[in-house]
Amino acid sequence: AQSVAQPEDQVNVAEGNPLTVKCTYSVSGNPYLFWYVQYPNRGLQFLLKYITGDNLVKGSYGFEAEFNKSQTSFHLKKPSALVSDSALYFCAVTPNSAGNMLTFGGGTRLMVKP
Amino acid sequence: GAVVSQHPSWVICKSGTSVKIECRSLDFQATTMFWYRQFPKQSLMLMATSNEGSKATYEQGVEKDKFLINHASLTLSTLTVTSAHPEDSSFYICSASAGYSQSETQYFGPGTRLLVL
Repeated sequence: AQSVAQPEDQVNVAEGNPLTVKCTYSVSGNPYLFWYVQYPNRGLQFLLKYITGDNLVKGSYGFEAEFNKSQTSFHLKKPSALVSDSALYFCAVTPNSAGNMLTFGGGTRLMVKP
Repeated sequence: GAVVSQHPSWVICKSGTSVKIECRSLDFQATTMFWYRQFPKQSLMLMATSNEGSKATYEQGVEKDKFLINHASLTLSTLTVTSAHPEDSSFYICSASAGYSQSETQYFGPGTRLLVL
């Protein structure tokens, strides 16, 4: 069965510092990986996805993610964090033979302090 | 592009009443729509998947007679919580996608917070 793990419930970072939100996955076949962000009392906003090709994927708001097949990871990164990046981040995967049904990780709360 | 709306954003109702939540794709045709439920500080739980013109596919443990889903057009899906009870209080989020291939992105609505008194 497919699964997605976000090992950190919360990540704290100072404004201007680089940030990393971790995600690992377990799925048979080729994974299609997604990152979404959720602001309080809002739905999810799509940030980026990996389908194939270059392992480094660039997305919205300056975020990027690196697909690492050997480590089964898809960590979200940003070179310089903003206070406005503070939100809940979800990693998700669409496993094979399930169309585009998403399996979500548990979410990681990012807190960026001034 | 890829905007999904939900209405209402907030609803408070009495126990025993039914509540309808609408999900619309505003600038694309949504072949597939999904309904999720999210509890405080938790991840999203998929309730059902609906394809336009066909019956919804419900996840295990989700009562289809309790949560009625209709996907009558390529831009509209509705979730009706029938005979709502306090335990149905939650944050309901829909998403829509233009296709159902593995790589197709789901775009999410802003969510509807339901409070059943």
